[in-house]
Amino acid sequence: EDKVVQSPLSLVVHEGDTVTLNCSYEVTNFRSLLWYKQEKKAPTFLFMLTSSGIEKKSGRLSSILDKKELSSILNITATQTGDSAIYLCAVGKVNTGKLIFGQGTTLQVKP
Amino acid sequence: NAGVTQTPKFQVLKTGQSMTLQCAQDMNHNSMYWYRQDPGMGLRLIYYSASEGTTDKGEVPNGYNVSRLNKREFSLRLESAAPSQTSVYFCASSENEGFTGELFFGEGSRLTVL
Repeated sequence: EDKVVQSPLSLVVHEGDTVTLNCSYEVTNFRSLLWYKQEKKAPTFLFMLTSSGIEKKSGRLSSILDKKELSSILNITATQTGDSAIYLCAVGKVNTGKLIFGQGTTLQVKP
Repeated sequence: NAGVTQTPKFQVLKTGQSMTLQCAQDMNHNSMYWYRQDPGMGLRLIYYSASEGTTDKGEVPNGYNVSRLNKREFSLRLESAAPSQTSVYFCASSENEGFTGELFFGEGSRLTVL
């Protein structure tokens, strides 16, 4: 059975801290791994990773995929209160539009 | 630019009642999806439609039916609601089933079944 597991499930940090969120997967016919940020409503897209070892970066956020370890990390440096959200990891499979989501990591950044 | 629009945003039902969640996208996407989100469980796929005229089951289809009315619209129906269907429902769309990019999500519909 396909599975995506995120850790930790929740995290509380202070502004300025750096955080690392983890996502591991056991999925047949892997195609891509995606990260989403969910604040109060709809998830919004952050990154899509398909190749191992290539870092994707957007401002203070970065992510990398390790296909050998079947995992990905999402790093957020110099966290701000606006980074407080649920971060969702999802895996896409070859020849299908379906995404398999992990449970999500709830990040709270305190002032 | 509306993107993906879901209605209603909130609904309270009694056990056994039926209702339909509506979803429409204006991005000319081929594929559409219904997910439910429960605390600690992430998003789980209920049904999806790879293209107009096709639908298929996801991980948790029991108790639901869907209709892909046309390319823009994809509705989710609960024929006889149960408390276990209390959840937040998200509709999403993507350009095609081959899935080369992101899903675009609606803002969610919060359903409570008493």
